[in-house]
Amino acid sequence: DQQVKQNSPSLSVQEGRISILNCDYTNSMFDYFLWYKKYPAEGPTFLISISSIKDKNEDGRFTVFLNKSAKHLSLHIVPSQPGDSAVYFCAASERSGGSNYKLTFGKGTLLTVNP
Amino acid sequence: EAQVTQNPRYLITVTGKKLTVTCSQNMNHEYMSWYRQDPGLGLRQIYYSMNVEVTDKGDVPEGYKVSRKEKRNFPLILESPSPNQTSLYFCASSWSGTLAEKLFFGSGTQLSVL
Repeated sequence: DQQVKQNSPSLSVQEGRISILNCDYTNSMFDYFLWYKKYPAEGPTFLISISSIKDKNEDGRFTVFLNKSAKHLSLHIVPSQPGDSAVYFCAASERSGGSNYKLTFGKGTLLTVNP
Repeated sequence: EAQVTQNPRYLITVTGKKLTVTCSQNMNHEYMSWYRQDPGLGLRQIYYSMNVEVTDKGDVPEGYKVSRKEKRNFPLILESPSPNQTSLYFCASSWSGTLAEKLFFGSGTQLSVL
């Protein structure tokens, strides 16, 4: 059963417009959410995160919103730039026993920003 | 430069021929992990290690082995590779693997098992 879902495999937007990437989750034990960005032929890199006790976190052009009651989070990129074109992974973290934590990734969304 | 280094970047092998993918980090991280990325399945964890000599299974450990004899290295071993292990593999590390920590990923190893 997929606990972290990114239902849009791809998204295309115009340069300068807003990109909204969505992520849904089913496990109410998730305490922290992270977004990673991945360019071709590179490993994922951390982008932004949010604790489950918050509903918004902002870092420059990137903002993550969390709606805990809906088990939904979204990543907003404003304004979008061609260099933002990449695969974006949503990830959720939970305590898995003792001092261990488990990170679960979604399948990813390919964002294409057109000049 | 702080980094996670994987080798090789590309590997083509045949069924049953043992192979090792190396992973090394220079950040003194305690936590290291292996993931595989497959089309339509995202990133799935294979094994992880909280510290030296401490390893545990992730979501898809079958057919893989790992060892953590020293802090900086975390090799992934395929004793008898099969075609269903053809995938893109990533090694990752973080300070202690706790809730809010970001992972640092290597550049990936594309493995093809014929």
